[in-house]
Amino acid sequence: GAGVSQSPSNKVTEKGKDVELRCDPISGHTALYWYRQRLGQGLEFLIYFQGNSAPDKSGLPSDRFSAERTGESVSTLTIQRTQQEDSAVYLCASTSQAYTEAFFGQGTRLTVV
Amino acid sequence: KQEVTQIPAALSVPEGENLVLNCSFTDSAIYNLQWFRQDPGKGLTSLLLIQSSQREQTSGRLNASLDKSSGRSTLYIAASQPGDSATYLCAVATGTASKLTFGTGTRLQVTL
Repeated sequence: GAGVSQSPSNKVTEKGKDVELRCDPISGHTALYWYRQRLGQGLEFLIYFQGNSAPDKSGLPSDRFSAERTGESVSTLTIQRTQQEDSAVYLCASTSQAYTEAFFGQGTRLTVV
Repeated sequence: KQEVTQIPAALSVPEGENLVLNCSFTDSAIYNLQWFRQDPGKGLTSLLLIQSSQREQTSGRLNASLDKSSGRSTLYIAASQPGDSATYLCAVATGTASKLTFGTGTRLQVTL
């Protein structure tokens, strides 16, 4: 596609439920990142995928968070047993290769009530 | 651990003024530095990317400089317009994953 696409754009869920967020990177981009932005705060790195290499999961805040990516296509970020502190905007970015310009999606605003 | 600081946190200027936003980082072993803008409730829009071997990049009214050895970058905006009002973020790429570490941003308001 023309840009990074994320869905849904907004998600309201009840505490304790699982949610799945989707990211469609720019076609041909080998690297994909997930970031989290809490209200009024900076971006926190969550996870990084590069081609078929093992992902860098060093930013995932707990074992309730997981992400998958098949090849160089769509990625899904799953949050299990959501908590109120998970409320944030989740942003996805892709790059054509390492160390090149990063392009971000519009984000998914997650609200846990 | 890489830390990125942006000064000022907020800035209000009248339309037409030239302005400078500052970004500093603690670990000079970066691969590149990127400036973004973020409009309220929106994602990030890439403005400029400076590779570690470059000193500056220009795009229209925007000019970004990089002094890697001192850990600093500036974003110069010429002849500011109300449409420039947004939060400006700088991010540096470090490590084998070229992970981007972000500053907390400068919130810019350009008034009529």
